[in-house]
Amino acid sequence: GENVEQHPSTLSVQEGDSAVIKCTYSDSASNYFPWYKQELGKRPQLIIDIRSNVGEKKDQRIAVTLNKTAKHFSLHITETQPEDSAVYFCAVEGPSGAGSYQLTFGKGTKLSVIP
Amino acid sequence: KAGVTQTPRYLIKTRGQQVTLSCSPISGHRSVSWYQQTPGQGLQFLFEYFSETQRNKGNFPGRFSGRQFSNSRSEMNVSTLELGDSALYLCASSLDRGLAGESTDTQYFGPGTRLTVL
Repeated sequence: GENVEQHPSTLSVQEGDSAVIKCTYSDSASNYFPWYKQELGKRPQLIIDIRSNVGEKKDQRIAVTLNKTAKHFSLHITETQPEDSAVYFCAVEGPSGAGSYQLTFGKGTKLSVIP
Repeated sequence: KAGVTQTPRYLIKTRGQQVTLSCSPISGHRSVSWYQQTPGQGLQFLFEYFSETQRNKGNFPGRFSGRQFSNSRSEMNVSTLELGDSALYLCASSLDRGLAGESTDTQYFGPGTRLTVL
């Protein structure tokens, strides 16, 4: 099955700085890569996603880049703000072998933005 | 549209008991997936239901089971509870997944059910 590695597990940045979180995956057939943000005590919320036919996608201060050859993708947050503090999960969707697709998550990165 | 809802939000059980959790997807969504979230293991996929059929299953023992009703509402059941089953159980819904060889929609998560096994 798919193996997803996420780094770093914790990240502290000063307000206004950039934050980068990286994920690698193992199945070259995987084709959908979402990122979720989970604040303490709340549900995971999709913040950005990218499909395998796209190399980069940006939404205001958030961007995701994908390198299919190297099988890794990254989340970039610029001009970080205290409200960006949360746990971020990458996920990879690929064929499950049962005619369907399965989402496999990384272990998460706890981002702390210091005012 | 209303979001994904889950009931109950909190549950306390003792070892050996069984539990049933419920998930109501976003209106129109036909796919429901279940995940177990723990501090040590993160988010782990349990199973996915689509049109009342289990379409996908993760690596969990047979004590974990589920079903989906004709209105797309889903339940999961855990029998013979163990201490290690204490976790946040999340369900997520999407329009569909895996059609035409490619996932078609994003998964939206419910608030989760916090299960504590004593």
